[in-house]
Parts: sequence; C-alpha cells; structure tokens
Amino acid sequence: EIVLTQSPGTLILSPGERATLSCRASESISDNYLAWYQQKPGQAPKLLIYGASNRATGIPDRFSGSGSGSDFTLTISRLEPEDFAVYYCQQYGSSSYSFGQGTKVQIK
Amino acid sequence: QVQLMQSGAEVKKPGASVKVSCKASGYSFTDYFIHWVRQAPGQGLEWMGIINPDGGGRAYAQKFQGRVTMTRDTSTATVYMELNTLRSEDTAVYYCGRCLLAREYSVVSWGQGTLVTVSS
Repeated sequence: EIVLTQSPGTLILSPGERATLSCRASESISDNYLAWYQQKPGQAPKLLIYGASNRATGIPDRFSGSGSGSDFTLTISRLEPEDFAVYYCQQYGSSSYSFGQGTKVQIK
Repeated sequence: QVQLMQSGAEVKKPGASVKVSCKASGYSFTDYFIHWVRQAPGQGLEWMGIINPDGGGRAYAQKFQGRVTMTRDTSTATVYMELNTLRSEDTAVYYCGRCLLAREYSVVSWGQGTLVTVSS
C-alpha cells in the first residue's frame, strides 16, 4: 500500500500570504492520480485538485497543484479567510486509495 | 443536482455489526464508482473501499479485508457498507462519496456522513 506523508503538519500564516503544502508518496503514483481536498470542521471534504494539477469545478485559481511521480505540492497563492482549514492528499493510482494524514492551515 | 443521502447515526456494542446506506440521486447511478471513507473523532480521513455500482465489483483497503462488505441495489440507487465485529476504534463518521468521472476516481460529491458510535 502506498503511504502518503504530508508536511508540514501545521502551517501558521496570515491572510494574503502564500501557502505551500507537500505530499510525498512512498512510491511513484501511476498517471499522477493524486487529489487534494479541503475539510472544514463538521463538514465533508471538498475536492480541490484531481490528477495532480486539475482544478475541480468552481475552485478559485488561487489553488494550484503540481508535481509528479512521488512528490506533489498544493499551493494557495494568497490565503483568503475561508481557506483556513485542513488539507488532505489522496492517491488513487494503486488498488488501495490512501490519504495523507493532513496539513492544518491555521490563521496567525 | 448530485445528492448522496446517508442513513442516520448508529450506536452499537462491541462485536456487533453496522450497515450504513447511501442513496444516490441526480445522476446515472451505474456510471460512477462510489467510495467509503471514515474519520474517527479528531483524526484524518481513512479510505475503506470502493464499489462499482455497475456490476458490483469492489476493492477494499487491506485493513478492512474480511470485516467490511460493500453492496449495491440498482433498483433503489443505493449502496451499502457493512462493518462487522465492531470495536471502539471503529467509532467514526462514515462517508460515501461519488467519483468525479467514470474513469477519474477522485471524490467530488460526498454524503453528509453517518456517525457510528461503538460503546458498551
């Protein structure tokens, strides 16, 4: 099973700043089948990025995904107040679709 | 619009089983795979498995092999997740989620979640 390690565990930033979140896989993810989700307390996750770099419908362009192989990044170019949340990566390139442990983006 | 409506909260004793339902509407049920994902209190997301409503094929996370069964009923556009031999560590919110596209397995639409509490 592919293990995803997200870093950092917590990111403390101010609105307007840039956020860079990392997701590293224990082995290469086929076809860059890597998604990013945002989750706020008490809510279901929300799909942001699929296929490593494709924004889901309705997702603002301040969210971007990049990377390939086993190293992926989610970038939020300028944090808005509503972006403070927990972010998860998920791989679906193998027969078992694992999640990372999450990165919390916290307001400074 | 796409909707996934899950069954209500459950309280179970250790050793019992739970069956959670997820009724789909607003799209062609057999065209999109459905995942099951759970989240223990204060913890991260954990993938449990996936089912193909067209034919019923499924794959489970190794951790749940032998303890989970995912099924579907095409007549009611409903998928089910049954977890057996419950223990306290299974206390969690269980989500179903529909894949984005027929061959794109990220999860775009989620149910509201079902809280399963395992307690003696």
